[in-house]
Amino acid sequence: AQKITQTQPGMFVQEKEAVTLDCTYDTSDPSYGLFWYKQPSSGEMIFLIYQGSYDQQNATEGRYSLNFQKARKSANLVISASQLGDSAMYFCAMREGGRGSTLGRLYFGRGTQLTVWP
Amino acid sequence: SQTIHQWPATLVQPVGSPLSLECTVEGTSNPNLYWYRQAAGRGLQLLFYSVGIGQISSEVPQNLSASRPQDRQFILSSKKLLLSDSGFYLCAWTWGSGSYEQYFGPGTRLTVT
Repeated sequence: AQKITQTQPGMFVQEKEAVTLDCTYDTSDPSYGLFWYKQPSSGEMIFLIYQGSYDQQNATEGRYSLNFQKARKSANLVISASQLGDSAMYFCAMREGGRGSTLGRLYFGRGTQLTVWP
Repeated sequence: SQTIHQWPATLVQPVGSPLSLECTVEGTSNPNLYWYRQAAGRGLQLLFYSVGIGQISSEVPQNLSASRPQDRQFILSSKKLLLSDSGFYLCAWTWGSGSYEQYFGPGTRLTVT
């Protein structure tokens, strides 16, 4: 079974509008972390935001927020006030195991291509 | 601050030729290191990871291998490339414990012809 599912291959949003990118995950580990990365056309992977499974509040980083719904196993990324520079591929990822895990591997979804138009 | 380097940035190699991609990390010690491959339009597939010098774990059996000769150096190799080895190779690092984010290098785009 897929550990990370991103069902939106592509999304379009007008500049200055908000957009939500969907991500669902599958794990039986009670301790895990969820990540979002941005990959512009240059190929670099840019870390955006992190949510721990025990965090009580949704994570926020500037214009990025993570809508964490634990019971539904979803971790959607919300980008507010979209900018043209937000056009990129966005990946959701999960790490199983709590703090101190020496493995730290990430499981990635297939990504969502976001296009911001003026 | 920590930085991660990869080279070369792009590479075009014929089928059957050897491969060596290098990744180095600066500004930290004893990092966990990872090699990922990204096929066109796909997510990232973990190939190898290492928690220390000489310690390599493989996720996907294939004709690739990895080595970690120094604490902050991670090398991806192949004796004979296949067409299916084409892709975007990304190296990443994280601290062994207490940190969650993985930080990625700029990547190497490999085309096997």
